[in-house]
Amino acid sequence: EVQLVESGGALVQPGGSLRLSCAASGFNFNTYWMSWVRQAPGKGLEWVAKIKQDGSETYYVDSVKGRFTVSRDNTKNAMYLQMNGVGAEDTAIYYCARAVISGHFDYWGQGTLLIVSS
Amino acid sequence: QLVLTQSPSASASLGASVKLTCTLSSGHKNYAIAWHQQQPEKGPRFLMIVNSDGSHSKGDGIPYRFSGSSSGAERYLTISSLQSEDEADYYCQTWGAFGGGTKLTVL
Repeated sequence: EVQLVESGGALVQPGGSLRLSCAASGFNFNTYWMSWVRQAPGKGLEWVAKIKQDGSETYYVDSVKGRFTVSRDNTKNAMYLQMNGVGAEDTAIYYCARAVISGHFDYWGQGTLLIVSS
Repeated sequence: QLVLTQSPSASASLGASVKLTCTLSSGHKNYAIAWHQQQPEKGPRFLMIVNSDGSHSKGDGIPYRFSGSSSGAERYLTISSLQSEDEADYYCQTWGAFGGGTKLTVL
C-alpha cells in the first residue's frame, strides 16, 4: 500500500526556518518525481515544488524561489522541504504528493500544518 | 501560460448525477488532467486522469459512480448516484497547475 506521511509542521515566527519531511512507503520511491503542494486556510491547492527521481532537477513556484529548497534521500525513502525566511503568506497545510510520468499526482499524504505568526 | 478554470460551486440532489467542468486555457486543449477530491477537513484524494480523447484511468478504489470525459478544451468529472459523502471540493490539476476548485453540495 502506498503511503505518504508528512511531519515537521509547527508554529514559526516570521523570518524563521523549518524543515518538513515526507516519509514514503509501499512503492519504489526512487522511480517517481515527488512534489510539495500547499493549501492556505480556506483556499485552494497550490503547487510549491517538485524534485526529480534522482534529485538532479528541482522546480519551484515563483513565490518561494530562493527561500525554499526541496531535497530527497532515496536511501531513506524521504523527501524534505527546507523553508527559510517564512512569512504569513506561507501559513498553510503542506502536502506531499507522488507524481506519475504525465505530471499528475496519484497519491497524497495527509498534510502537515505550518503556522507563521509572532 | 497554462490555466485551469473551474466553476466555484455546484449542487445536485442525493441520488442524482452531476457533471463538473475543468477548462484548459488556449493552446493547451490537448492536455490530460487529473481530478482530485477533498472532503471536509481531509487531504486530497486522487480520482482519475482524463485524457483529451475522453478516456480516463481511475485511482485505486474509486467507485464506478465516478467517470471522466472530454470535449475540446473541457474535461469533465461526472458523479452519478450522488451520496452524501460526495459533498466535497473537486480540483483539476496538471503539472504545476491547479484549477480553483468546485465546491459540490449534495442537497
